[in-house]
Amino acid sequence: QVRLVQSGAEVKEPGASVRLSCKTYGYTFSHYAVTWVRQAPGQGLEWTGWNSALRGTTKYAQRVQGRVTMTTDTSTNTAYMELRGLRSDDTAVYYCAKGESRNGMDVWGQGTTVTVSS
Amino acid sequence: SYVLTQPPSVSVAPGKTATIMCGGDKIGGKSVQWYQQKPGQAPVMVIHYDRDRPSGIPERFSGSNSGNTATLTISRVEAGDEADYYCHVWDNDSDHGVFGAGTKVTVL
Repeated sequence: QVRLVQSGAEVKEPGASVRLSCKTYGYTFSHYAVTWVRQAPGQGLEWTGWNSALRGTTKYAQRVQGRVTMTTDTSTNTAYMELRGLRSDDTAVYYCAKGESRNGMDVWGQGTTVTVSS
Repeated sequence: SYVLTQPPSVSVAPGKTATIMCGGDKIGGKSVQWYQQKPGQAPVMVIHYDRDRPSGIPERFSGSNSGNTATLTISRVEAGDEADYYCHVWDNDSDHGVFGAGTKVTVL
């Protein structure tokens, strides 16, 4: 069974960094990209970026470009997203998903809530 | 940047058909996905490649895409279909994924 299991909720102060994890099960991790999508409270979905271990490619949304790094660890089948210089408008639920925008993200993690507050 | 336009809400009676449109410049030339999101839950892909249903998605869900509009159609609507629905594409020009703002489907 394909599953993506994300790390627990985080509360951070403005300016801090956060590293989220997304452990995958049930498929060949290196054959698929991992896409990250976030959702601010009461708002819609926002594409944040994706990472393909197979192609060695990473793309980031403009809103987080320069502050975000998405990586994968094929030894543990885990994807990571690090976001630095946190701002209040980074408060959101962050989802990881198997696949990419060209073909569709067919399995999603349960989401990680990140709260940025002083 | 590429913009996808969706109506904020659609209301439909049980057993009837819900039609959700997603407008974008020459969207017919892109591959569209549709995601269903119920409150407090992660999104679920209900349509990819414009019209294909992933395994486990009921046949009541169908999609089309032509010109400047993609459409998600839910036939014989059930109470359990009440959710937010988002269209999504890859924009080659910006190398970015793009979501529509979402449409809340209410079953009367």
